[in-house]
Formats: sequence, structure tokens, C-alpha cells
Amino acid sequence: EPEVTQTPSHQVTQMGQEVILRCVPISNHLYFYWYRQILGQKVEFLVSFYNNEISEKSEIFDDQFSVERPDGSNFTLKIRSTKLEDSAMYFCASRHRVLDLNEQYFGPGTRLTVT
Amino acid sequence: SQQGEEDPQALSIQEGENATMNCSYKTSINNLQWYRQNSGRGLVHLILIRSNEREKHSGRLRVTLDTSKKSSSLLITASRAADTASYFCAQRKADRGSTLGRLYFGRGTQLTVWP
Repeated sequence: EPEVTQTPSHQVTQMGQEVILRCVPISNHLYFYWYRQILGQKVEFLVSFYNNEISEKSEIFDDQFSVERPDGSNFTLKIRSTKLEDSAMYFCASRHRVLDLNEQYFGPGTRLTVT
Repeated sequence: SQQGEEDPQALSIQEGENATMNCSYKTSINNLQWYRQNSGRGLVHLILIRSNEREKHSGRLRVTLDTSKKSSSLLITASRAADTASYFCAQRKADRGSTLGRLYFGRGTQLTVWP
């Protein structure tokens, strides 16, 4: 069964460094999302992406964050200058190209630790 | 806030028993989705129920939706130790402006099934 994959599974970085989290969505999906989950808290929406454009972003998704679909398969989240509070699990999700199919399928997550 | 809440926060049962988890939300929805998360892992999509549906089944899972009470329940019948996980409900708002449908998650119910 096709699934969303994410790399790396765990990333440790120092405060102020740039990180890029990578995702490969399911191949016939056209709608892409990033969510994060700070330890012990709710899963929070960051951004949605379609047709090479951001469709919606939350208040968390400030200028330090950017997303890109550099080729036909990868979907990346970049954090320009990481802060301690960016430590969280970051989940990529994708949804089918048919709008009526609403299920969002999540990847296994990347655990980001900022020291 | 759209975000829903699950209750109970924690549920501990014996194998073979049924587990019922509830979810409440605040504003009108397009659909509601239930996810499972094993400790430290990704979110696994379980079932989606649309706002015009009242009940849905998938294997040992039964989901109900009461839009008048803005609540949903997830029933797992004949539970197994492998069902031990956190269970989240996530709502997609009934918002014509948000076609990609960001999800709003609750804090989840931690289910423990003892063998």
C-alpha cells in the first residue's frame, strides 16, 4: 500500500541553524500539508500546498518557514533559523487529487530537536 | 477555536472489552476523521465520517456523528493489546474558503489495552 515517507526520522540541530525536512507524498496525491506536534501537545496545522503554491498557513508558519516542491516527488519544509521552541515532531500529509476524497495520509514524522 | 477535545484523556481496559472514545468540537464541519498514533510514531488514518453521515463501520471500528451535539464517538469492539495507542479526532471545517481542508486535532485519548 502506498504511503507517505519522511526523512530524516530524527534531526538534531543547533539553535540558529537551517534545517530542511523532506517528505515524499503518495504519488497520485496533489494536496500537501505540514503539521507539527510539540511533545505532549496537540497536532497543529502549519501549511497546505497545491499547484506549487501555499494555499493556507497558520500563525505558526512565519517568515522562518518555507515550503517547496522542488521536483515531481519531494515536498520540503525549511526552517531558516531554528529556535528551541521549534523542537517537535513534524508530520507531512498528502491527499488524493480528487477533491471528494478527503482523507489526509500522514507520514511517520521527523523528530526535530533544537539544542 | 475549531479545535475539538477527546474524552476521556486516558482509558484502560482488558483485552476483549469494548473501548469508547468521544470527541466534541465547536463549529460546523465538513467531515471528521479519526487517527491512531502509537507512541512516538506517525498518525494512521482510521476512518472518515462526513457531516451528512450518522454512523460508519470499518472492521472493529464504529464511528458515530451527532452534528446537533457537535460530537462524535469511536467504538473499538473486542479490543486487543495491539490497539494500545493514542486516538485523535480531527475536524475539517465547513469553510468554503479553505478547499484544501486543514485539520483541527484534539489532544487525544490514550487507550491502554491489557492482555
